[in-house]
Amino acid sequence: NAGVMQNPRHLVRRRGQEARLRCSPMKGHSHVYWYRQLPEEGLKFMVYLQKENIIDESGMPKERFSAEFPKEGPSILRIQQVVRGDSAAYFCASSSGPTTDTQYFGPGTRLTVL
Amino acid sequence: GESVGLHLPTLSVQEGDNSIINCAYSNSASDYFIWYKQESGKGPQFIIDIRSNMDKRQGQRVTVLLNKTVKHLSLQIAATQPGDSAVYFCAENNAGNMLTFGGGTRLMVKP
Repeated sequence: NAGVMQNPRHLVRRRGQEARLRCSPMKGHSHVYWYRQLPEEGLKFMVYLQKENIIDESGMPKERFSAEFPKEGPSILRIQQVVRGDSAAYFCASSSGPTTDTQYFGPGTRLTVL
Repeated sequence: GESVGLHLPTLSVQEGDNSIINCAYSNSASDYFIWYKQESGKGPQFIIDIRSNMDKRQGQRVTVLLNKTVKHLSLQIAATQPGDSAVYFCAENNAGNMLTFGGGTRLMVKP
């Protein structure tokens, strides 16, 4: 009964490189959410996706950030040309339905930009 | 429940005592609330939830109280154990697609 899986758990990138973060939702879940967490702070919503669709990306920075959830395979959060300010923990959550269904979180990917 | 920055409020309790963690939420239209526990280096773990048509819900050793009049949520942990030490976040869903998280409270349990 695997939960939400994320990889890599830790990712180090130099400024200007690309970061790709992967998320596999819980079995039976087709709704995926990405959140970002800075140290000592709460999680901030970034984007909500269903299979092959972006439903709400109101929390995504306008540039360099993109997300997808293809028909097959994990959801991907992609950060192009990373900067030091992108260093954070990125969490993925999944739910079986939208809005008021419980979101279950993965262990996160800790991105460090040198 | 806005994030307040670098220093989390801390609640220190003796093992075996009851703990009460409070949260003020921001949106009167929110209709679903969740408490999460986050241990160091891990993702948030679901503890208990409550919908706006209720004012109290109980789980195993935990109780959530909701006061919609003053937009206040609390988490009560009975007989607190060392394994309860973590950061606790409340989150609200305001009829949208996202959870809005509060700033978190660090619970420290003294043996």
